[in-house]
Amino acid sequence: ETGVTQSPTHLIKTRGQQVTLRCSSQSGHNTVSWYQQALGQGPQFIFQYYREEENGRGNFPPRFSGLQFPNYSSELNVNALELDDSALYLCASSSYTGVRETQYFGPGTRLLVL
Amino acid sequence: GENVEQHPSTLSVQEGDSAVIKCTYSDSASNYFPWYKQELGKGPQLIIDIRSNVGEKKDQRIAVTLNKTAKHFSLHITETQPEDSAVYFCAARRNFGNEKLTFGTGTRLTIIP
Repeated sequence: ETGVTQSPTHLIKTRGQQVTLRCSSQSGHNTVSWYQQALGQGPQFIFQYYREEENGRGNFPPRFSGLQFPNYSSELNVNALELDDSALYLCASSSYTGVRETQYFGPGTRLLVL
Repeated sequence: GENVEQHPSTLSVQEGDSAVIKCTYSDSASNYFPWYKQELGKGPQLIIDIRSNVGEKKDQRIAVTLNKTAKHFSLHITETQPEDSAVYFCAARRNFGNEKLTFGTGTRLTIIP
């Protein structure tokens, strides 16, 4: 186990609703990255947070937003849900201390949008 | 941006034989290449990684080779066991900027007992 936890494990929402997913990073890690993994595909980078600030964003619309808290845990918020948002959402934590280290993934949150 | 291609998409191997998965990348600025194993219902688990200053790295039955000139890297699993059955992803990361990993499309490895 990596020590990265995510909640909830599963979630069902309807189109147009909003959702918040949560991630607790591994102890000692100050960087959290979020990925979206559609069925049968590799994870796609959404964005990254380092010391409570967004530090890079992938090709996702502004309705995908996030936060990182002083304890380095993080939230992913998605507004105006669309059917295509159905996916496994993964967070990964790492420790940046001048040298970028390995990312360790949590178990993911499976989101189904109906 | 970076593009990572992975082959094959599926691979069946007799137990005890070797398995090889290959990836190519497009961005010459990439310098870190991890491999992840993903079992059903779980998040990706790091199994081995390699940085661009070495050409090969081995950890027991698993090895990774890197050819920076050709921009390709490969995962080798020897003496395969049923518990090696999973989906394997390669990834690449640039040597500057943020932590973004660009993943391949995955290889479903099945070990036949």
